[in-house]
Amino acid sequence: DQQVKQNSPSLSVQEGRISILNCDYTNSMFDYFLWYKKYPAEGPTFLISISSIKDKNEDGRFTVFLNKSAKHLSLHIVPSQPGDSAVYFCAASNMNRDDKIIFGKGTRLHILP
Amino acid sequence: DGGITQSPKYLFRKEGQNVTLSCEQNLNHDAMYWYRQDPGQGLRLIYYSQIVNDFQKGDIAEGYSVSREKKESFPLTVTSAQKNPTAFYLCATAGLATPEPREQYFGPGTRLTVT
Repeated sequence: DQQVKQNSPSLSVQEGRISILNCDYTNSMFDYFLWYKKYPAEGPTFLISISSIKDKNEDGRFTVFLNKSAKHLSLHIVPSQPGDSAVYFCAASNMNRDDKIIFGKGTRLHILP
Repeated sequence: DGGITQSPKYLFRKEGQNVTLSCEQNLNHDAMYWYRQDPGQGLRLIYYSQIVNDFQKGDIAEGYSVSREKKESFPLTVTSAQKNPTAFYLCATAGLATPEPREQYFGPGTRLTVT
């Protein structure tokens, strides 16, 4: 049973345009959400996070939106740059339960020239 | 410089042999984790440890073993009982006492190929 779902395995976006990566979750106890970026043959790097008490968090070109009622979050990248081409993992955790993070299967983002 | 070290980057073993993957950190983080990544599968948790001399099974612990004798080190042994050991293995750490304790930091990974 997949608790964190990234339904788009891949996404192609023109350079300079907005990239929107989506993530859905099923466990209403999740209270903290993270996005990681991963290049091939490297470890993931932390990108941005959001607590369930917020609905938006922004860091430079990256913004994460959280819709708790829909159990949905999205990562917006604007403007998209060639270096953004990577796999993006959505992840979620429950602070009161344990320190495990549950990862989605990832979305591969291709930035087109 | 601070960080997480996983060695070697690439590892090759014959089927039936146990192999140990190393993970060392100098971030003074309390928690350490092992994941494996397979194509289309995302990251799956194998084992994790929140304190020295204690560890818990993750979602796919069968065929693996770990130890946590020192805060800095969390080696993973892939035993011959693991049916599909070929994968990319990632070690991660988290500082449980930091303001954002649930952000995990990953090492560069070890690609294990068993033939």
